[in-house]
Order: sequence, then structure tokens, then C-alpha cells
Amino acid sequence: QQQVKQSPQSLIVQKGGISIINCAYENTAFDYFPWYQQFPGKGPALLIAIRPDVSEKKEGRFTISFNKSAKQFSLHIMDSQPGDSATYFCAASKGTGGYQKVTFGTGTKLQVIP
Amino acid sequence: DAGVTQSPTHLIKTRGQQVTLRCSPKSGHDTVSWYQQALGQGPQFIFQYYEEEERQRGNFPDRFSGHQFPNYSSELNVNALLLGDSALYLCASSLYVYQATNEKLFFGSGTQLSVL
Repeated sequence: QQQVKQSPQSLIVQKGGISIINCAYENTAFDYFPWYQQFPGKGPALLIAIRPDVSEKKEGRFTISFNKSAKQFSLHIMDSQPGDSATYFCAASKGTGGYQKVTFGTGTKLQVIP
Repeated sequence: DAGVTQSPTHLIKTRGQQVTLRCSPKSGHDTVSWYQQALGQGPQFIFQYYEEEERQRGNFPDRFSGHQFPNYSSELNVNALLLGDSALYLCASSLYVYQATNEKLFFGSGTQLSVL
């Protein structure tokens, strides 16, 4: 059962362009929505995260937009750079007494071309 | 400050064998989670350990078991290996905070397990 659906599977963007990755979730009990960035041969690293009581969060060139009623959220990468080329995972988690279980999307492989 | 370290980095086993993977959490962290990442997929939660006890478990069979030691390090054991167990196994550490729901996870680089 895939609880977090992510699209597109791959994305090619020109340097300076905007990269947009979309995710949808099913479980309304999720209360934390992080995005992870993974480079080849490395583990995922937290990029930015949002809670469902906020509609948008911006950190530098990275912005999360969150639509609670539609159960959708997206990552926007402004002024995309070749160094942003990586696989991006949206995720959702529900804490239980302090213990987290994170459910990941299937990933989007981003390639930023010069 | 060392991050999350995992060993070994690569491992080759044959079907039916048993394997043990190891993880040392980031300094100051007391909670360890294990994830399985198949090729081209997102990580899937296996289980989480805190105070040497399994606290949460994902949808994985009993062939997957773990342990946490008093120094917070952890092991993942997989028995009776199947071809489908071939994957990158990731360890993530965090700091337990009662009732918190957004503690940041720090991942190691993983152990690439190949089952032949």
C-alpha cells in the first residue's frame, strides 16, 4: 500500500529554471512532511520540512507548498543548479509517543543541465 | 562530529544465509531506525529502536530482527536471505523527545547487500 505518491519519476530542468515535484498522501493522520535529497552512494539528507498547519515554507531556493484539503504537497526549487542534480523524496510521518515512522515516496531523479 | 556510520559498505551473500549489519548513531542521538531501499525506490521503514527495545515495526517478516546496545549502536539481522532482500540498508538516528513528531533523522550512507 503506497501511502505517499510522488511525481514525476524523473525531471530534466535547465540551469536557472524552476524544478517542481509533486506528492499526494492518503493518511490524514500524518503530521510532518519532510523532503529528502539523496546523492548517489549516500543516504538521504533532510532538505526542508513542513507541518500541516502551514501552507508554505521557504528556505533559500527551496519552497514547500502544502494543500491540506487536497492532501497534496510540492517542492519547488528556484534557480535550479547542476549541483541540485540528485534524487528527491517526499515523505510523511506520524509520531506515536515520540517515535517516528517515516513513509517515503518513490523518488524523483532531477537532472539540471547547464 | 561523526555522523551516522554503517558497516560494512558492501556485502555479498547467497540465498539462505544470514547477515548482520551494524550502525553507530550520530553523537548525542539515542534512537536508531532501519530502512530498506530497493533499487529505484524510496526507503521503507523496517523498525526503530530506543532504550534497547523495538518501538515500532514496519511491514517486514520476522526474518528481520534487530538489537540496540547500551551505547545506542544497533544491529540489523536478516535470516534465510532471499534474492528479494537485495537492497541498500539504511540506518537513521535521531534524538527521542517525548510526544515529538518531527525529530530530524540523520541517515548513514548504507550497506549495499547483494543476495546471489
